[in-house]
Amino acid sequence: QVQLQESGPGLVKPSETLSLTCTVSGGSVSSRIYYWSWIRQPPGKGLEWIGYINYSGSTKYNPSLKSRVALSVDTPNNQFSLKLTSVTAADTAVYYCARTGGVIAPNGYYFDYWGQGTLVTVSS
Amino acid sequence: SSEVTQDPAVSVALGQTVRITCQGDSLRTYYANWYQQKPGQAPVLVIYSKNNRPSGIPDRFSGSSSGNTASLTITGAQAEDEADYYCNSRDSSGTGVFGTGTKVTV
Repeated sequence: QVQLQESGPGLVKPSETLSLTCTVSGGSVSSRIYYWSWIRQPPGKGLEWIGYINYSGSTKYNPSLKSRVALSVDTPNNQFSLKLTSVTAADTAVYYCARTGGVIAPNGYYFDYWGQGTLVTVSS
Repeated sequence: SSEVTQDPAVSVALGQTVRITCQGDSLRTYYANWYQQKPGQAPVLVIYSKNNRPSGIPDRFSGSSSGNTASLTITGAQAEDEADYYCNSRDSSGTGVFGTGTKVTV
């Protein structure tokens, strides 16, 4: 059974960088079949895809966040990470990491395993 | 990225059938997936690649699509199906997209 667990600070000051790590167990970030995504959900609102990274470090980002986002993968520790710079209150959300399948068209990306999510609040 | 829209809320009587729809231009080209989310929990994948159910998902959940519309049907809704439902897919630039979400009341 694949399990994912997010970790990182729950409070970030405005203009600073949000950093989260997702630790994967029961699966491998080195998989050639699955990619690894970050998704967020502001309180009381819908889901927003942030981006994905694959085994080779290739990334794809949501254009709405592209200038502020960076994903990285740590194969030896079976982890992948998110950095979001210059945060504002609008970045307050529950952040999820998820395994991503269906990366070959005509499949739309699907997220079959999710972490429990971690609430990150942006506030001074 | 392409917009994908859903009706904000639908209600269904216990044991009856409900269909939730998702509309967007990207759905003409790419398959939709569906998620169930209960309060305080992470979303759960219930249908992927148009009409495939992950292991453990009851067969009362099914998916279909036509043109720019994808649908999730719950046949014989149960009390435990009360939740928010989101569709997702991708657009032609490779950006992942989520629908706006539908609250299902049983």
